[in-house]
Amino acid sequence: EAAVTQSPRNKVAVTGGKVTLSCNQTNNHNNMYWYRQDTGHGLRLIHYSYGAGSTEKGDIPDGYKASRPSQENFSLILELATPSQTSVYFCASGGLGQDTQYFGPGTRLLVL
Amino acid sequence: GDSVTQTEGPVTLSEGTSLTVNCSYETKQYPTLFWYVQYPGEGPQLLFKVPKANEKGSNRGFEATYNKEATSFHLQKASVQESDSAVYYCALAIYGGSGNKLIFGTGTLLSVKP
Repeated sequence: EAAVTQSPRNKVAVTGGKVTLSCNQTNNHNNMYWYRQDTGHGLRLIHYSYGAGSTEKGDIPDGYKASRPSQENFSLILELATPSQTSVYFCASGGLGQDTQYFGPGTRLLVL
Repeated sequence: GDSVTQTEGPVTLSEGTSLTVNCSYETKQYPTLFWYVQYPGEGPQLLFKVPKANEKGSNRGFEATYNKEATSFHLQKASVQESDSAVYYCALAIYGGSGNKLIFGTGTLLSVKP
C-alpha cells in the first residue's frame, strides 16, 4: 500500500487563481518535502517541514507557501498561480535523523 | 555552495551494452551520496546510497563507488535491459538544523532499445 499519496494527480488552474496541492504519508515520518520537477533542472526543493506546525523555505520558495497541520499531512499552496508554475510536483517524507526520502507519485499542474 | 552535476541526457543504448552516468559533487560537509531512479509515471525511488568514501553501493545490477579524492560517484551497469529505461538522479545529503535535505542533479534519461 502506497505510503506517500498526493492529490490531485492532475490539475488545471487559471492564472491568478489559488491552488492547493495535498500530500499524505503513513510512514510516521517527521520530515516532509515539496519539490518541483522541470526538464533541465531536475528536482528542486520548494519547502520542507521537520514536524507538525513547522515549515522551512527550500531553494525556490518564491510564489509558494506550505502548511503542515499534522504529522501525516503537508500542503503546498500557490496563492496566485502563474504559468511559470506549470510543472510536476512531488512530495516526499523522511524519518527523523534519516537521509533517505520516499516520494509520492506526483501532481501534474498546468496553469493557463 | 553544495551542488551536484551529472551527465546531461538523454542516453540511448541497446540491450546488453554497458552504462555509465557521470556524477560529481561539491560540498564542505562529509557527504552521503545516493542514486535515485524514476520510472515513467512514478515518483523517484531510492536505488541505493553510499554513506562512506571509497565504498561501493549496488542494487539491481547497478553500482557506484564514492571516490572522495575525485568527488565523483558514477553510476555503472555492465549490461542494461529494456526495463532499465528510466530517469536516474544523483543526490547529495546536506545535514543541518533539525534535519536534512537532498540536493539532486538534473537527471539523466536512459532509453534502452531491444
